[in-house]
Amino acid sequence: AQTVTQSQPEMSVQEAETVTLSCTYDTSESNYYLFWYKQPPSRQMILVIRQEAYKQQNATENRFSVNFQKAAKSFSLKISDSQLGDTAMYFCAFIWWGSRLTFGEGTQLTVNP
Amino acid sequence: EPEVTQTPSHQVTQMGQEVILRCVPISNHLYFYWYRQILGQKVEFLVSFYNNEISEKSEIFDDQFSVERPDGSNFTLKIRSTKLEDSAMYFCASRGTGMAYNEQFFGPGTRLTVL
Repeated sequence: AQTVTQSQPEMSVQEAETVTLSCTYDTSESNYYLFWYKQPPSRQMILVIRQEAYKQQNATENRFSVNFQKAAKSFSLKISDSQLGDTAMYFCAFIWWGSRLTFGEGTQLTVNP
Repeated sequence: EPEVTQTPSHQVTQMGQEVILRCVPISNHLYFYWYRQILGQKVEFLVSFYNNEISEKSEIFDDQFSVERPDGSNFTLKIRSTKLEDSAMYFCASRGTGMAYNEQFFGPGTRLTVL
């Protein structure tokens, strides 16, 4: 069974600074996808960034980037130039070829002005 | 941009009542999912649905739950006799096919409150 672990329940960062959220996972599969979802107070689930396990290059989406270490089974999210609108719960998630998404416990990120 | 929609946004019901949560997936998607999130907890998988049948379900998805695609657009989750512990946010998701479309798109959720 796949598991996803986020060891930081809460984090805070000053506006315009950089913050990194950690995620580790466990799987015996070699082909899978990893995601970071953002959940603001509205509780809508918004996809932030995705990474295909077969790609060595780390994914980047504007201010969001990941550090994907396949051997270490680590998938961290870096948010650069943090904005107040980045305040949300962030979930790391794993999926293996269209099966269920498995989520981590979440990290509550607060961006302070 | 196409999106998944869910109705109602908030449902309040009495314990023991039946509820039906509705979802309209993205029109060309073929795989459908229900997840739930109890307040303050992680998002949990309930069930996946493809080709008019359940393809996978979790241990949470017991006989009180059922899913249906009654027509070409709606995807519903029915809880036959609600319990207090069914209070949660319920998310519908859908995805297309092929490796490039392994991404699941989430609806805005239905908040279910069981009194």
